[in-house]
Amino acid sequence: SAVISQKPSRDICQRGTSLTIQCQVDSQVTMMFWYRQQPGQSLTLIATANQGSEATYESGFVIDKFPISRPNLTFSTLTVSNMSPEDSSIYLCSGSRISVGTQYFGPGTRLTVL
Amino acid sequence: GQQLNQSPQSMFIQEGEDVSMNCTSSSIFNTWLWYKQDPGEGPVLLIALYKAGELTSNGRLTAQFGITRKDSFLNISASIPSDVGIYFCAGQLETDGLTFGKGTHLIIQP
Repeated sequence: SAVISQKPSRDICQRGTSLTIQCQVDSQVTMMFWYRQQPGQSLTLIATANQGSEATYESGFVIDKFPISRPNLTFSTLTVSNMSPEDSSIYLCSGSRISVGTQYFGPGTRLTVL
Repeated sequence: GQQLNQSPQSMFIQEGEDVSMNCTSSSIFNTWLWYKQDPGEGPVLLIALYKAGELTSNGRLTAQFGITRKDSFLNISASIPSDVGIYFCAGQLETDGLTFGKGTHLIIQP
């Protein structure tokens, strides 16, 4: 398995500001992903974080709102830009050592936007 | 896009009872995964299934990958208090991210 940590674990932010969430894996992984989990809901894929190239976004998510970096095989960041209360969610990253199958999740970052 | 229908939405059972939940999809997946999420935590992988028809066990948990590739079930035998939580099914088609079901809330009454 892979051990994944996220920073910060939670934050309370003001409308219009931006927050960058960090995801660190204890060993190299092939694939990294970012998900959003709104209160009481399931997880929704935001994007695939590609090493050395632009992230691949799912329908409904755009780079200007959720810029993602992945400089190496163990680290990625997600920025939530120009935040509004609707962005209040848990943001989770995941990693997978192989291209297909098993993904391990971080503990999540709980974001509240006032 | 793909959608997963997970049922039941919630279950209230007595300690020691067996539990069964399932997921169905409108389209095929090549991989099915089952996760458990406790409050304030990320999902923890329970079982991964890679072949249609595959039946896999992990302790008291058993899961199967449906032969049509459009469904999967998870069984928990002899439930205990620490089984409480939210269980999610998830499907993966290729090398993409996961599509999650809406979750099954398991509540165990002692």
